Amino acid sequence: QITLKESGPTLVKPTQTLTLTCTFSGFSLSTSGVGVGWIRQPPGKALEWLALIYWDDVKRYSPSLKSRLTITKDTSKNQVVLTMTNIDPVDTATYYCAHRHYSYGGRFDSWGQGTLVTVSS
Amino acid sequence: SYVLTQPPSVSVAPGQTARITCGGNNIGSKSVHWYQQKPGQAPVLVVYDDSDRPSGIPERFSGSNSGNTATLTISRVEAGDEADYYCQVWDSSSDHPVFGGGTKVTVL
Repeated sequence: QITLKESGPTLVKPTQTLTLTCTFSGFSLSTSGVGVGWIRQPPGKALEWLALIYWDDVKRYSPSLKSRLTITKDTSKNQVVLTMTNIDPVDTATYYCAHRHYSYGGRFDSWGQGTLVTVSS
Repeated sequence: SYVLTQPPSVSVAPGQTARITCGGNNIGSKSVHWYQQKPGQAPVLVVYDDSDRPSGIPERFSGSNSGNTATLTISRVEAGDEADYYCQVWDSSSDHPVFGGGTKVTVL
């Protein structure tokens, strides 16, 4: 059974850097084709994909946020970390990490419960 | 970049059929996935690769995909199906996922 859980600060001040950790179990991020993605959802709004890291350390970022995001993995700890710089109130959202199935279609078949991050001074 | 378009809302009476569309340029050539999200909960995959269901998802949920439109169909709608539904594809040209804007399904 695959499980993922997000952790990090619930309140961040504008201009600061946000660091979120996804701790997972039930799969290995060294298995070919597997990935972990980050998706966020501002209150009352749609899902927005942010970043993805593959088993081979290939990384992909949302074009609109690429300059502010960094995604890394620690395979030995079963963790994926997302950092977002220069945080703004518009970044207030629930942040989810999700397991990307290895198949070509690229579905996210397991999600964490999400963590709400509020950006406010 | 690739864009997916969903209607903001769909209303359906209990026991009837709800159809949620997801439009995209030649979406029929892509694999479409659908997620259900109930208030305060994380999204749950309900249909993948156009028409397959993960284990535990009722047969009432089905999908189709052709041309420029993919459709999630919920048969014999129940009150518990009230939720937001999102479609998603993989944009192979940029190697990243694309989500639709979501459809709120209201059970009357």
